[in-house]
Amino acid sequence: DGGITQSPKYLFRKEGQNVTLSCEQNLNHDAMYWYRQDPGQGLRLIYYSQIVNDFQKGDIAEGYSVSREKKESFPLTVTSAQKNPTAFYLCASSSLQGSTDTQYFGPGTRLTVL
Amino acid sequence: AQSVTQPDIHITVSEGASLELRCNYSYGATPYLFWYVQSPGQGLQLLLKYFSGDTLVQGIKGFEAEFKRSQSSFNLRKPSVHWSDAAEYFCAVGARGFQKLVFGTGTRLLVSP
Repeated sequence: DGGITQSPKYLFRKEGQNVTLSCEQNLNHDAMYWYRQDPGQGLRLIYYSQIVNDFQKGDIAEGYSVSREKKESFPLTVTSAQKNPTAFYLCASSSLQGSTDTQYFGPGTRLTVL
Repeated sequence: AQSVTQPDIHITVSEGASLELRCNYSYGATPYLFWYVQSPGQGLQLLLKYFSGDTLVQGIKGFEAEFKRSQSSFNLRKPSVHWSDAAEYFCAVGARGFQKLVFGTGTRLLVSP
């Protein structure tokens, strides 16, 4: 089945640690995105990538880093510089072909800082 | 700057009653509009989208939405709500081509028996 997978589903981090969230898609989509979701704030864009080896900062990139070495994969690292990392993180992907581009979402990773 | 407003944080509807969730947007160009639904602890599922053409669009699960350019609105409707529709609903706006979406803050739907 085609889709987007995120792992782990739950992640606990001690203060001062870096953690990496995985996102993989087998939809052959060109673009991938990372969002952060906090209660009452909707989704906010962290980073996005349109092609391999290229990515851009979104609205709240501070304290996060990404890589795009393969088309299928777009891991997100939450660094110790992120002051309030506890949140629900959603990965999405979209095709850049045609005029009906639509973002499809993975199941999410809930990160909790202990 | 583009923005999306969902004025209702919570809405409670009786099972079998009709539903309308409001969405207003601010966007400089012709908008592409989306409605997504999220169950607790899950990702977002696309309900429907408007790109062009007929301003009344049909989606999955019996939902529909109407694009009204003059009112900058894209309200979501369902004629008869089921208990399984209880979830959070997000409206989003983007542009053609590369989709850097802007999301509203969501409306949580509660369904009473």
